[in-house]
Amino acid sequence: GAGVSQSPSNKVTEKGKDVELRCDPISGHTALYWYRQSLGQGLEFLIYFQGNSAPDKSGLPSDRFSAERTGGSVSTLTIQRTQQEDSAVYLCASLKDPTTGELFFGEGSRLTVL
Amino acid sequence: AQSVTQLGSHVSVSEGALVLLRCNYSSSVPPYLFWYVQYPNQGLQLLLKYTSAATLVKGINGFEAEFKKSETSFHLTKPSAHMSDAAEYFCAVTVNFNKFYFGSGTKLNVKP
Repeated sequence: GAGVSQSPSNKVTEKGKDVELRCDPISGHTALYWYRQSLGQGLEFLIYFQGNSAPDKSGLPSDRFSAERTGGSVSTLTIQRTQQEDSAVYLCASLKDPTTGELFFGEGSRLTVL
Repeated sequence: AQSVTQLGSHVSVSEGALVLLRCNYSSSVPPYLFWYVQYPNQGLQLLLKYTSAATLVKGINGFEAEFKKSETSFHLTKPSAHMSDAAEYFCAVTVNFNKFYFGSGTKLNVKP
């Protein structure tokens, strides 16, 4: 497709389970971002990938969170031993040209931890 | 580090009235500023951006914003609201186009 694709769109899990969220960025976009959007909060930066450089993981809230980007394209955000406070919408965005600053967002993956 | 503050989590205006959504930023170096809009059940999309050229920036759908360094502000305005403008609006800042910091968002309600 032409846009950023995220899956699953909705995920309900039990506390303590691991979850994986997937992001397919727009082809050719070298930068990829993960953000978390909690109810009533802004977008919280999680992690940033740029080409083959080491990712900027400074926004990951705990060591239960990890992300990888394979082949410079698809990215997976993994949350281990989920907690109720992890419930949020996880947004992925990609960027083609940094000088434009135009992030292209997916529709997000809504995670609910029971 | 940079940050943005959006005053007012909810703003309600009548159709045809002026829209004013407030954004103030904090940055120790010259920032680049953006407004994104999120329509219901859609992803965020870029509305307009300030990248150190003209301080008055025009975006899509009749929106514009003015960068005021002295006030550290980048407020979003539209002279006449339409029902289709109902959405959530996010202000964002970056200094290096690596990390983008977003505000908490303002939900705009337009009354008929």
